[in-house]
Amino acid sequence: DQQVKQNSPSLSVQEGRISILNCDYTNSMFDYFLWYKKYPAEGPTFLISISSIKDKNEDGRFTVFLNKSAKHLSLHIVPSQPGDSAVYFCAASRTYSGNTPLVFGKGTRLSVIA
Amino acid sequence: DGGITQSPKYLFRKEGQNVTLSCEQNLNHDAMYWYRQDPGQGLRLIYYSQIVNDFQKGDIAEGYSVSREKKESFPLTVTSAQKNPTAFYLCASSISGTGGDQPQHFGDGTRLSIL
Repeated sequence: DQQVKQNSPSLSVQEGRISILNCDYTNSMFDYFLWYKKYPAEGPTFLISISSIKDKNEDGRFTVFLNKSAKHLSLHIVPSQPGDSAVYFCAASRTYSGNTPLVFGKGTRLSVIA
Repeated sequence: DGGITQSPKYLFRKEGQNVTLSCEQNLNHDAMYWYRQDPGQGLRLIYYSQIVNDFQKGDIAEGYSVSREKKESFPLTVTSAQKNPTAFYLCASSISGTGGDQPQHFGDGTRLSIL
């Protein structure tokens, strides 16, 4: 049973426009959420995170929104750049107890078209 | 320059052989993790370790073994019991594995293929 779901395998966006990547989770115990970016044959790079006590976190062009009641989070990238083309993974964990490895979604491949 | 080093980048295994993937970190992180990535799939947890001399099975531990004798090192052995070992293997570490909002940081991975 997939606890973290990224239902869009791919997304294409024009350069300069907004990219919105979505993620849903089923486990209401998750309280810490992260986004990673991954290029082929490389390890994922941490982008941005959000704790469940917040509903928004911003870092430059990247903003993550969390809707706890809907068990949904999204990553907004604006403006999108060609270098943003990569696979983006959503991940979640519980932080208030031990044994809290991250649970990952299957990823969304973003293509930013110049 | 701190980071996580995985070696080798590419590894080939013959049927029936055990192989060991190396993971070293100089970030002074307590927790270390091994994931497997298959095409079109997310990262699946194989094993993790929160402190030295202790480790726990993840979701897909069958056919794998690990050790954590030093804080800096968390090698993964892919045994002959792993029937489908061809994959991209990723090692990660974090400051603590027992909570706290700290991200995991990843190495660049090892691609294992069967000859």
